[in-house]
Amino acid sequence: GAGVSQSPRYKVAKRGQDVALRCDPISGHVSLFWYQQALGQGPEFLTYFQNEAQLDKSGLPSDRFFAERPEGSVSTLKIQRTQQEDSAVYLCASSLRTRVEQFFGPGTRLTVL
Amino acid sequence: GESVGLHLPTLSVQEGDNSIINCAYSNSASDYFIWYKQESGKGPQFIIDIRSNMDKRQGQRVTVLLNKTVKHLSLQIAATQPGDSAVYFCAEKSPGGGATNKLIFGTGTLLAVQP
Repeated sequence: GAGVSQSPRYKVAKRGQDVALRCDPISGHVSLFWYQQALGQGPEFLTYFQNEAQLDKSGLPSDRFFAERPEGSVSTLKIQRTQQEDSAVYLCASSLRTRVEQFFGPGTRLTVL
Repeated sequence: GESVGLHLPTLSVQEGDNSIINCAYSNSASDYFIWYKQESGKGPQFIIDIRSNMDKRQGQRVTVLLNKTVKHLSLQIAATQPGDSAVYFCAEKSPGGGATNKLIFGTGTLLAVQP
């Protein structure tokens, strides 16, 4: 079966531009996570959805970051007025609600110039 | 605060040897750990997990050991192959995460397998 997919795989933005990153989780996975991975570092938690409800957004670094999952499947991570420090790989993961192990997508590499 | 860290940032081994990757955690309340493998340009791939009520768990060519006394876990890879070359992360389910099964990752160990 299909795994977690993310698009675009690469995104280059000029400082100040808005970007939108998409995640398609594994079918049937009600839990969806976004992580940010800086170069040479481990992923860091951003936000968590259970179905369409955003239950934890404690990892979002600023109010420029916004995530949604309106129908409980596809999710979008939006970053407004991008800054150079936003450059990173953004990873999406999904899981069954009753399980802890998360399955990751390939990530979107965002470069802000 | 919570943290998960690795002792060795880079590990170089010969093909066919066994590899041991170590990880330390700081929160004694942590009760679930996962090892992930991340190849260049890809997302982390689940390898094996272990709960705190276990000391050891085995998979195919991999074994995870958990020592709760010293808050340490290790990943052992038997007969290491070139395809095992990747960055390995230990991750801890955040004990303060409530209903969120968010994971806290260490910084990773690069495993380089020499043919």
